[in-house]
Amino acid sequence: QVQLQESGPGLVKPSETLSLTCTVSGYSISSGYYWGWIRQPPGKGLEWIGSIYHSGSTYYNPSLKSRVTISVDTSKNQFSLKLSSVTAADTAVYYCARPHRTGWYYFDYWGQGTLVTVSS
Amino acid sequence: SSELTQDPAVSVALGQTVRITCQGESLRSDYASWSQQKPGQAPVLVIYGKNNRPSGVPDRFSGSSSGNTGSLTITGAQAEDEADYYCNSRDSSGNHVLFGGGTKLTVL
Repeated sequence: QVQLQESGPGLVKPSETLSLTCTVSGYSISSGYYWGWIRQPPGKGLEWIGSIYHSGSTYYNPSLKSRVTISVDTSKNQFSLKLSSVTAADTAVYYCARPHRTGWYYFDYWGQGTLVTVSS
Repeated sequence: SSELTQDPAVSVALGQTVRITCQGESLRSDYASWSQQKPGQAPVLVIYGKNNRPSGVPDRFSGSSSGNTGSLTITGAQAEDEADYYCNSRDSSGNHVLFGGGTKLTVL
């Protein structure tokens, strides 16, 4: 059974960099798929942040592209998110996810999500 | 195009049929997929592609498409179907994922 687990600080100061890691179990990242990060501000909808292939190829949300870096570590079966220059608007539950085998842009395995609050 | 539009809220009487819609130019060339999200939980994929359900999703959930509109239909809505529903697709470049704003379904 594929499982994903987000980890990282739950509180980040404004202007600093948010860093999260997604650890995957039950499936090898090296075997394929574009692995994704999605976020959800409290009480609001889902926003795709970006996706990464095991080779390191990435797609980013154009509205966040200047601040986002997604990387992959196949040796640890993890992929990571860095979001720089955060503000209160970046406060959200952050999910990592794996897409369905038939389409890289819809997701059928999700982590439980981790709340990141941006506050001084 | 880079937007998918959903009605913010829809209600349905228990046991009746409800359709939730998603509009966007990208849907003229691609199908919407649909995810269900209950409070405090991660989304769950319920429909993908033309009209496909992942294993474990009840067959009362179905998807359809016409022009720039994708639809999720729940035939015989149950109390446990009360949730937020999100459509998603990709933009015209094919390189970016889009989510609709979500529809809150209330089962009366």
